[in-house]
Amino acid sequence: DQQVKQNSPSLSVQEGRISILNCDYTNSMFDYFLWYKKYPAEGPTFLISISSIKDKNEDGRFTVFLNKSAKHLSLHIVPSQPGDSAVYFCAASVPGAGKSTFGDGTTLTVKP
Amino acid sequence: DTGVSQNPRHKITKRGQNVTFRCDPISEHNRLYWYRQTLGQGPEFLTYFQNEAQLEKSRLLSDRFSAERPKGSFSTLEIQRTEQGDSAMYLCASSRTLYEQYFGPGTRLTVT
Repeated sequence: DQQVKQNSPSLSVQEGRISILNCDYTNSMFDYFLWYKKYPAEGPTFLISISSIKDKNEDGRFTVFLNKSAKHLSLHIVPSQPGDSAVYFCAASVPGAGKSTFGDGTTLTVKP
Repeated sequence: DTGVSQNPRHKITKRGQNVTFRCDPISEHNRLYWYRQTLGQGPEFLTYFQNEAQLEKSRLLSDRFSAERPKGSFSTLEIQRTEQGDSAMYLCASSRTLYEQYFGPGTRLTVT
């Protein structure tokens, strides 16, 4: 029973265009959502997060959107850069729990 | 802020042997987590410490696995009587806040 799903294993976009990474969840108790980026041979790096009381959070080129009714969140990267090429993990947490439940990741390739 | 460090980075062991991994968190972080990641999947939660107290353990953590965090500083994860299915990347993370976690580079375990 996978509670956090990233249905697209890979995504390829052209430099300068928008990258949209999607994530669905099933546990309605999740109230905090995070995106992590992972380069090869490194651990995941925290990128951006959103609380369930918001529907949008923006940080520079990165914006996360949350649709609670659809149990769906997305990460938008605008404009995409070759250095953004990495595996992106969506993660979610229930209230008060430090642990996160991760999706299986989406590999983003940004072509110059 | 020197980041989370993990040692060793790689470990090859024969089935049935015991292995121990070490994690040194960011110094001011009182929360510490262990995750396991296999190829093509996201990190799976194993256990969580707040200071020296182990607050949660996953069902994935069989009785062959044990983790400690003496004095609330570094942590060790021991796997006894290793099996081939234990081959994975073992990730340690620490945090000061409840949700955003800072990951180390991981220890890759190969059981032959």
